[in-house]
Amino acid sequence: AQTVTQSQPEMSVQEAETVTLSCTYDTSENNYYLFWYKQPPSRQMILVIRQEAYKQQNATENRFSVNFQKAAKSFSLKISDSQLGDTAMYFCAFMKLNTNAGKSTFGDGTTLTVKP
Amino acid sequence: DTGVSQDPRHKITKRGQNVTFRCDPISEHNRLYWYRQTLGQGPEFLTYFQNEAQLEKSRLLSDRFSAERPKGSFSTLEIQRTEQGDSAMYLCASSIQGGTEAFFGQGTRLTVV
Repeated sequence: AQTVTQSQPEMSVQEAETVTLSCTYDTSENNYYLFWYKQPPSRQMILVIRQEAYKQQNATENRFSVNFQKAAKSFSLKISDSQLGDTAMYFCAFMKLNTNAGKSTFGDGTTLTVKP
Repeated sequence: DTGVSQDPRHKITKRGQNVTFRCDPISEHNRLYWYRQTLGQGPEFLTYFQNEAQLEKSRLLSDRFSAERPKGSFSTLEIQRTEQGDSAMYLCASSIQGGTEAFFGQGTRLTVV
């Protein structure tokens, strides 16, 4: 079974600054996907960024980037130039290869507050 | 199509009553998932459908819970004889077969008093 651990229940950052959210996971699989999802207050969860474990290059999506360390089983999310709209709960998730998109294992989340 | 929609958004019920939630997935998605999310935790998988077939159920889905997707489109999740421990956010998500991204609804927040 897979486990996903997010050790930072809450974090805050000043607008325009950079923040990094941590995630570690445990699995015996060699090929898998890792995700960061964003859940704004009272709104649906959306996918922020996705990383395939067989790709060494770290994924980036505009202001969002990851630091994927496969050997260490670490998958952190860096948000650059933080904006007020980034305030949300962020979930790290793991999905085995060739399984269903909705059967990911989620961490318990990090609540990020961006302060003006 | 505006995404996955769930109804109602909020439900308050007395202990022992039955409740039913509805989820309308993105129209071209043949896979539909139900999750439970309690305060301070991530979503926990409950069950999923491929078209109208319920292919997997989590151990979290007790006998009081039943889900259907009769025509392979919308789905309902019913909880019978609700208990206070059922209070949670119930999330629905959908995806295409073989896809790696799940699209979530806004959830139904259930409060059992």
